[in-house]
Amino acid sequence: GAVVSQHPSWVICKSGTSVKIECRSLDFQATTMFWYRQFPKQSLMLMATSNEGSKATYEQGVEKDKFLINHASLTLSTLTVTSAHPEDSSFYICSAIKAGEGNTEAFFGQGTRLTVV
Amino acid sequence: DAKTTQPPSMDCAEGRAANLPCNHSTISGNEYVYWYRQIHSQGPQYIIHGLKNNETNEMASLIITEDRKSSTLILPHATLRDTAVYYCIVRADNYGQNFVFGPGTRLSVLP
Repeated sequence: GAVVSQHPSWVICKSGTSVKIECRSLDFQATTMFWYRQFPKQSLMLMATSNEGSKATYEQGVEKDKFLINHASLTLSTLTVTSAHPEDSSFYICSAIKAGEGNTEAFFGQGTRLTVV
Repeated sequence: DAKTTQPPSMDCAEGRAANLPCNHSTISGNEYVYWYRQIHSQGPQYIIHGLKNNETNEMASLIITEDRKSSTLILPHATLRDTAVYYCIVRADNYGQNFVFGPGTRLSVLP
């Protein structure tokens, strides 16, 4: 099956610094990727939809200036958490859909655990 | 908001079939039923999806009622490694449509 890889798998950063998370589709092209956030014992919550070559679409309540998304190619989307604070500590997960396919499953990365200290 | 309702938790004996129900009474004609599972601290794993016909693959079977208002995911011979949170999701077949996750069902497979 198709593989989506996230990097890093975990990261610890100091409060006030920025952290970049990469999401790559390894063996397929993805025009659209999704970024989710998951707090302990909760379900995944969609943060934004990342579209290759255009601006991301953010869900209500998600600050676009804090969570910068760049989808520069058909195989790579990045999420940058700017000026991170302890409340941003969470499990961040990306997913991708094969380009041009509507009725198809989304493939998820393994997730990135961010801890802000 | 998620368009599905699932029991919060279920137990299943190892080696027995696990039957996970999902209600999606407001499902539209162009919406598929998808099942994913998430093992602790990992990304969700695709299991199966279908529109109206029953589906089977190497992981599971999906039974969708004739009126499409509910479905059941069947793991024929549950193992301890099947312990996970299982998510039932309805999604339109439009490219770019995201997957909305509800609370899911926490399945515990017991030895």
